[in-house]
Amino acid sequence: DAGVIQSPRHEVTEMGQEVTLRCKPISGHDYLFWYRQTMMRGLELLIYFNNNVPIDDSGMPEDRFSAKMPNASFSTLKIQPSEPRDSAVYFCASSPYGRLNTEAFFGQGTRLTVV
Amino acid sequence: AQTVTQSQPEMSVQEAETVTLSCTYDTSENNYYLFWYKQPPSRQMILVIRQEAYKQQNATENRFSVNFQKAAKSFSLKISDSQLGDTAMYFCAFMKLYNDMRFGAGTRLTVKP
Repeated sequence: DAGVIQSPRHEVTEMGQEVTLRCKPISGHDYLFWYRQTMMRGLELLIYFNNNVPIDDSGMPEDRFSAKMPNASFSTLKIQPSEPRDSAVYFCASSPYGRLNTEAFFGQGTRLTVV
Repeated sequence: AQTVTQSQPEMSVQEAETVTLSCTYDTSENNYYLFWYKQPPSRQMILVIRQEAYKQQNATENRFSVNFQKAAKSFSLKISDSQLGDTAMYFCAFMKLYNDMRFGAGTRLTVKP
């Protein structure tokens, strides 16, 4: 398997624009997580899914943020409208939870810059 | 909610020496997993070592080992024979059964030649 795939790797956008980050988890993994990493706040869990169903979105900072998982192989994180304070690295991770060797496998991250 | 605390924002060690990174966590759960992840400048998150809470034996992976003290809710990482490639951010993480993974603030480790 190619691992967790995120796109794009880098995104630069203007304030007010809509931004969509994409993630393809590892096939067969039951859980998918979205994290945001900043210098000030470290790694924050935004939302996670189990079998495509959102389980906990309490980490989503504002209504401007939304996440979907229409099927087991694809998830999106959307920010609309974007603001400069949304600038961060966004990670997607997936996990084969429930099996013996539980861990989270991370994508390469998307570095978002909102100007 | 579970919290993970890493009290050492930065550490340094001479090449070939041993260094220990600290981590404490707070939970009322009995079954859970603990992890150490490494994040080099490439920003890729790499699993270093994993510990299941129900296992009393400390996990070991080559030069990396942990000291898991369940009663004290402590989970430290020992890196032996430090190498320049060990320079990275190290994150301690807690994962409750069938739940999400929470991370500490990280420790920036620099290995000096």
